[in-house]
Amino acid sequence: AQTVTQSQPEMSVQEAETVTLSCTYDTSESDYYLFWYKQPPSRQMILVIRQEAYKQQNATENRFSVNFQKAAKSFSLKISDSQLGDAAMYFCAYLRINFGNEKLTFGTGTRLTIIP
Amino acid sequence: EAGVAQSPRYKIIEKRQSVAFWCNPISGHATLYWYQQILGQGPKLLIQFQNNGVVDDSQLPKDRFSAERLKGVDSTLKIQPAKLEDSAVYLCASSPITGASNQPQHFGDGTRLSIL
Repeated sequence: AQTVTQSQPEMSVQEAETVTLSCTYDTSESDYYLFWYKQPPSRQMILVIRQEAYKQQNATENRFSVNFQKAAKSFSLKISDSQLGDAAMYFCAYLRINFGNEKLTFGTGTRLTIIP
Repeated sequence: EAGVAQSPRYKIIEKRQSVAFWCNPISGHATLYWYQQILGQGPKLLIQFQNNGVVDDSQLPKDRFSAERLKGVDSTLKIQPAKLEDSAVYLCASSPITGASNQPQHFGDGTRLSIL
């Protein structure tokens, strides 16, 4: 079974600075997807960024980028120029590709606090 | 487009009572998911529907939990009887079709269930 580990329960960063959230996963599959989701307090979970395992190039979405190390099974999220609105729980998630039964496995999350 | 709708937003019941949650996915989304998110943890998949058929219910406690998706649109998740450990946020998500890994899941706001 796939597992996703987020070893940082909480992180904080000064506004406008850069922060990196860590994620490792365990799988025997060669093709899969990885995601970072953001869950603000009492608000719905939204997709931040995704990475396809067969792509070597790291995904980037504006201020958000990932460092995908397939051999090390590591998938960290870098947030540049942190803003107050970035404060939230961040979940790393793994998607097993299995046509007709794709299953998303989440980590335990990292609570990010932005210090004004 | 309208997002995933869930109701109620909050529910408080006593143990051994029953409760039901409702989800309306994004229009046209064939795949619907129910997740349980216990405080301090990542969401855990309970059941996945493709149209009105069950794709995966391996982690659904079937002695007390049931779910249906009549007509392949709305879905209801029921707990009967509730236990203290069922206190959690119940998230509903939908995606266009399963098997399309590049189509991420869209989440609703969730229902926060408290068992007294």
